[in-house]
Amino acid sequence: AQTVTQSQPEMSVQEAETVTLSCTYDTSESDYYLFWYKQPPSRQMILVIRQEAYKQQNATENRFSVNFQKAAKSFSLKISDSQLGDAAMYFCAYKKGAGSYQLTFGKGTKLSVIP
Amino acid sequence: GAVVSQHPSRVICKSGTSVKIECRSLDFQATTMFWYRQFPKQSLMLMATSNEGSKATYEQGVEKDKFLINHASLTLSTLTVTSAHPEDSSFYICSARSQGTETQYFGPGTRLLVL
Repeated sequence: AQTVTQSQPEMSVQEAETVTLSCTYDTSESDYYLFWYKQPPSRQMILVIRQEAYKQQNATENRFSVNFQKAAKSFSLKISDSQLGDAAMYFCAYKKGAGSYQLTFGKGTKLSVIP
Repeated sequence: GAVVSQHPSRVICKSGTSVKIECRSLDFQATTMFWYRQFPKQSLMLMATSNEGSKATYEQGVEKDKFLINHASLTLSTLTVTSAHPEDSSFYICSARSQGTETQYFGPGTRLLVL
């Protein structure tokens, strides 16, 4: 069974600084997808970024980027120029390749942004 | 695009009554919908997966007779918690994906409190 591990229950970052959230996963599949979701206090899950395993290039979305290390099964999220609105729970999630749609979530990392 | 709504956002009911939660995809056709449960400060736990027009697939340990799921159309899925008890109090979140995509989009969640 696939597992997703987020080893940092809580993190904090100064406003405008950069922070990296860690995620590792375990799978025997070669085709899969990885996601970072953000859950602010409103509890609405918001997709931050996704990465297809077959793509070597790291995904980026504005201030958010990932460091995808397939051999190491690592998928960290970097947030640049942190803003107060970035404060939230961040969940790393894994999905097997085509034909499977279930997500496996990590336990989450609570990010605080210090003004 | 890819907006998912849930109704109601919060509900309080008496023990023994049934509660229905609706999940709608507003701007796309949801081939597959998912229902999750989230306890305070914990990650999302998948309860069941439903495909339009067919029976839902429940995760191990989830009582299908207690948590009735109907996915009657490509834009609507409902979760009915039957004979609710206080231990059913939780945050219920739905998500949806459209055909040909790998990404799930989440609703805002429903907070259920059973007295």
